[in-house]
Amino acid sequence: TQLLEQSPQFLSIQEGENLTVYCNSSSVFSSLQWYRQEPGEGPVLLVTVVTGGEVKKLKRLTFQFGDARKDSSLHITAAQPGDTGLYLCAGAGGGSYIPTFGRGTSLIVHP
Amino acid sequence: DVKVTQSSRYLVKRTGEKVFLECVQDMDHENMFWYRQDPGLGLRLIYFSYDVKMKEKGDIPEGYSVSREKKERFSLILESASTNQTSMYLCASSPELWDSGAEAFFGQGTRLTVV
Repeated sequence: TQLLEQSPQFLSIQEGENLTVYCNSSSVFSSLQWYRQEPGEGPVLLVTVVTGGEVKKLKRLTFQFGDARKDSSLHITAAQPGDTGLYLCAGAGGGSYIPTFGRGTSLIVHP
Repeated sequence: DVKVTQSSRYLVKRTGEKVFLECVQDMDHENMFWYRQDPGLGLRLIYFSYDVKMKEKGDIPEGYSVSREKKERFSLILESASTNQTSMYLCASSPELWDSGAEAFFGQGTRLTVV
């Protein structure tokens, strides 16, 4: 099983602050996805990155896939209370067609 | 709007009971998955199915079985529930296998408590 390490595990910040969440592995992935899960709901896909070095933007969220396709980051600019949730990365490929999930980063944004 | 529906949001069962968790998707997806989610452990794959009547074990299949008699329905069965199976259970479906980067659609989850 490929391992994905997410950091930090918990993040509690004030509205307007910036933050970065990291997802790292020693394995190479063919694709990497970021999901957000709100309390009491299932995860919802935010983005899929497939090319090393790729950067994707979704409003205030910026996602980057490492050049070697072993790591990824999620940067949120000017966080808002609506960004509160559990952020999960999931990587697939390298001989496994079922993705491996990281343990998640729990984000709380205080008004 | 695509949908994955889990039959129950909350369940309380007694130790030793046989428990059925049902999941239905309306997107005609080939692939369906059952995960359990525990604090600090993330999502762990229990079983998945890539076609009707086909199933594969995931990382933690012990104590569970699955059934996929129809394409739209994937059931998770706890043969004899135990307290260590108290968890959030998530069902997902996807149109392609995930190494292609296909999106997975999740149900809202079933929070199971075994007493």
